Amino acid sequence: KQEVTQIPAALSVPEGENLVLNCSFTDSAIYNLQWFRQDPGKGLTSLLLIQSSQREQTSGRLNASLDKSSGRSTLYIAASQPGDSATYLCAVSGNQFYFGTGTSLTVIP
Amino acid sequence: DGGITQSPKYLFRKEGQNVTLSCEQNLNHDAMYWYRQDPGQGLRLIYYSQIVNDFQKGDIAEGYSVSREKKESFPLTVTSAQKNPTAFYLCASRQQGLNTEAFFGQGTRLTVV
Repeated sequence: KQEVTQIPAALSVPEGENLVLNCSFTDSAIYNLQWFRQDPGKGLTSLLLIQSSQREQTSGRLNASLDKSSGRSTLYIAASQPGDSATYLCAVSGNQFYFGTGTSLTVIP
Repeated sequence: DGGITQSPKYLFRKEGQNVTLSCEQNLNHDAMYWYRQDPGQGLRLIYYSQIVNDFQKGDIAEGYSVSREKKESFPLTVTSAQKNPTAFYLCASRQQGLNTEAFFGQGTRLTVV
């Protein structure tokens, strides 16, 4: 069964720092990988989708990479802002989605 | 606006009651999913449906039931057989195909009183 791990579980950084969130998965037979943001008590907002044939995707200050052979993805956030504070989840797609437990990010003003 | 609507936002259930959570989407998506989220755990799949009138059990289907009579609707019933139903429930949908993007509703928080 696919297992998805996210490290670190929590991260606190000062405003303006660049940061990297990590996601690893055990089965490389995936169709895509998706990064989500979740604010407290809210649903998931899709940030980036990387197809299995792609290496990276960019949206504004966010850049996600995918190395399917090693079972890893990273989410890079440039010039972090207090509004980036949230939990970030990665999910890999097979017949269903498999989620990591998330990284809780706090950006300190 | 296109999207996924879950209702109600908060729901309280008494012991022994069945309750139904609503999920409606106007994205014309074929596939719909129900997940459960507990503190400190990842999202766990309850049921999913890839086409009208068909659905499959996920990893934690016991104590839950679903129906898919219309493309846009996928209600989840939490039955009295579910012993620990207090959780945050999330509905998702996507186009047909295993490489398509998933979209989520805003969730329903169910509490047993």
